[in-house]
Amino acid sequence: IQLTQSPSLLSASVGDRVTLSCKGSQNINNYLAWYQQKLGEAPKLLIYNTNSLQTGIPSRFSGTGSGTDYTLTISSLQPEDVATYFCYQYNNGYTFGAGTKLELK
Amino acid sequence: EIQLQESGPGLVKPSQSLSLTCSVTGYTITSGYDWSWIRKFPGNKMEWMGYISYSGSTNYNPSLKSRISITRDTSKNQFFLQLNSVTTEDTATYYCARHNWEGVMDAWGQGASVTVSS
Repeated sequence: IQLTQSPSLLSASVGDRVTLSCKGSQNINNYLAWYQQKLGEAPKLLIYNTNSLQTGIPSRFSGTGSGTDYTLTISSLQPEDVATYFCYQYNNGYTFGAGTKLELK
Repeated sequence: EIQLQESGPGLVKPSQSLSLTCSVTGYTITSGYDWSWIRKFPGNKMEWMGYISYSGSTNYNPSLKSRISITRDTSKNQFFLQLNSVTTEDTATYYCARHNWEGVMDAWGQGASVTVSS
């Protein structure tokens, strides 16, 4: 299954509501996760099973979706959210999207 | 708290084998879960390479199946990656991670940068 993330680069201001998209080439059956990776750090699991928040992750992060289309939303962007965000599917094999780089405007 | 740490050579010559070690603390790798290797190429593309389960069985990415081997040393709580016949296209940052029962990697090492070059 191939994953297409959009946009590849997103500029937003502190406090903005931010939406990142991930589209699969086939039905993912909600087996979709989101990772955050800051420069020089390991990826951090944010969301799994489309909408389950990993322990310790702030509630401003949320996930939705079904079928082939999934979304990560940050309800109020914080400076520490500057990172690259990857979607990841585990319905059929294990594949990652190419990432969305989120920067501050 | 579980911690994973990759180690190994940062430079490998083309046609040789790439070997990395993942040392795990805070959890015994035979207690449960699967233990994965993932790599991130220059330009951000990420690829799951394979895992070894808590019982010792392995599962590999079909694109790498002929070149990859994941093994373990339970006495040292370590698992290993060997990738044979490397080319410059294997230049990447290599991560080890715990692959939990949900199917996601929930704990990662910091990554080891490996360059394939003569």
